[in-house]
Amino acid sequence: EDQVTQSPEALRLQEGESSSLNCSYTVSGLRGLFWYRQDPGKGPEFLFTLYSAGEEKEKERLKATLTKKESFLHITAPKPEDSATYLCAARGGGADGLTFGKGTHLIIQP
Amino acid sequence: KAGVTQTPRYLIKTRGQQVTLSCSPISGHRSVSWYQQTPGQGLQFLFEYFSETQRNKGNFPGRFSGRQFSNSRSEMNVSTLELGDSALYLCASSSETVLYGYTFGSGTRLTVV
Repeated sequence: EDQVTQSPEALRLQEGESSSLNCSYTVSGLRGLFWYRQDPGKGPEFLFTLYSAGEEKEKERLKATLTKKESFLHITAPKPEDSATYLCAARGGGADGLTFGKGTHLIIQP
Repeated sequence: KAGVTQTPRYLIKTRGQQVTLSCSPISGHRSVSWYQQTPGQGLQFLFEYFSETQRNKGNFPGRFSGRQFSNSRSEMNVSTLELGDSALYLCASSSETVLYGYTFGSGTRLTVV
């Protein structure tokens, strides 16, 4: 059974304080590792897709990396508007859609 | 271009009733997936449709069903509602499954009383 575990569950940072969010996955035949951002009352907003170990993608203050067992979302010099829940999801070779982690609730204090 | 549209945004139903939720994908997208989001379980996969055919189904009881029309619009139906069905139901569309990111709608918030 595919599993995705995110840590920490919640993270509070000061504005400008860089950090990383972790996503550990156990997926048979990984076909894609996805990162989403979700704001309260809204659907998840797509950030990145990673396909193979060693791959990295960047967007503004965010950088996603992938190894054979984990993915990291690095947040550099975050701003209060980066506050949100960040979700990691994996698509394996089976027929079960995306498997999501429970998310990391990130709060950036001014 | 327009995003994924889900209707209605909010719904209150009574136990035992049935409900139908609607999803219009991004123009040109032929794949539509449905997810249930609850505080305890997070996002869980319900089913996936591609060109009017159900390709995948998650581990939910048969009370949960769906369909996709020739214009790629999709509906999901929940019969004999239970209190535990209260959740945010999210629809996602993709031009090709897996290869590209799935775009989610804002969801339908279903409350069962």
